[in-house]
Amino acid sequence: QQPVQSPQAVILREGEDAVINCSSSKALYSVHWYRQKHGEAPVFLMILLKGGEQKGHEKISASFNEKKQQSSLYLTASQLSYSGTYFCGTEEDNNNDMRFGAGTRLTVKP
Amino acid sequence: DGGITQSPKYLFRKEGQNVTLSCEQNLNHDAMYWYRQDPGQGLRLIYYSQIVNDFQKGDIAEGYSVSREKKESFPLTVTSAQKNPTAFYLCASRLVSSTDTQYFGPGTRLTVL
Repeated sequence: QQPVQSPQAVILREGEDAVINCSSSKALYSVHWYRQKHGEAPVFLMILLKGGEQKGHEKISASFNEKKQQSSLYLTASQLSYSGTYFCGTEEDNNNDMRFGAGTRLTVKP
Repeated sequence: DGGITQSPKYLFRKEGQNVTLSCEQNLNHDAMYWYRQDPGQGLRLIYYSQIVNDFQKGDIAEGYSVSREKKESFPLTVTSAQKNPTAFYLCASRLVSSTDTQYFGPGTRLTVL
């Protein structure tokens, strides 16, 4: 079951904040966030396991609400380098078969 | 250097020909995966393998085949039965652990003429 991401695209000015959401119709075991630049491989950002934990990576953090079956990625004080397509990957149980959302295209302008 | 390699980066084939995409990893990862990505789309799972000589179909396995004879290698064959094979193909691998994630290779862009 592929997760649903929103929004599909967002345009920011440098320094602005953004939130990207990832939701599933099924209970989730883990959520993985990646960023992909055009023509390149996705790069891992962070993993969240069920339990509602929140993680941070410099100015990028994420939360995982197990009950709501959704995760959110928070980008604060965006930089030009944040531009790219963000994907969430989800696992419904601990069987190592991840499914990805359709992606959110983020553009940060000067 | 440890990592995942895919070759070639760009591949052109005539319609009706089978083509094999290479994926090798020296990370000692147990599981390996193949995804397909179409322009502006997400990643769709084709096949995955968690152990040598065993693999499972993903969501879009029709028209594809794989083998896992060695832990380090997981080649993908795009057969002539695949109706629309032009896409960006990504290979990934991971340790079989609840706290680990998948790491991706650089991808192969296949164009069928």
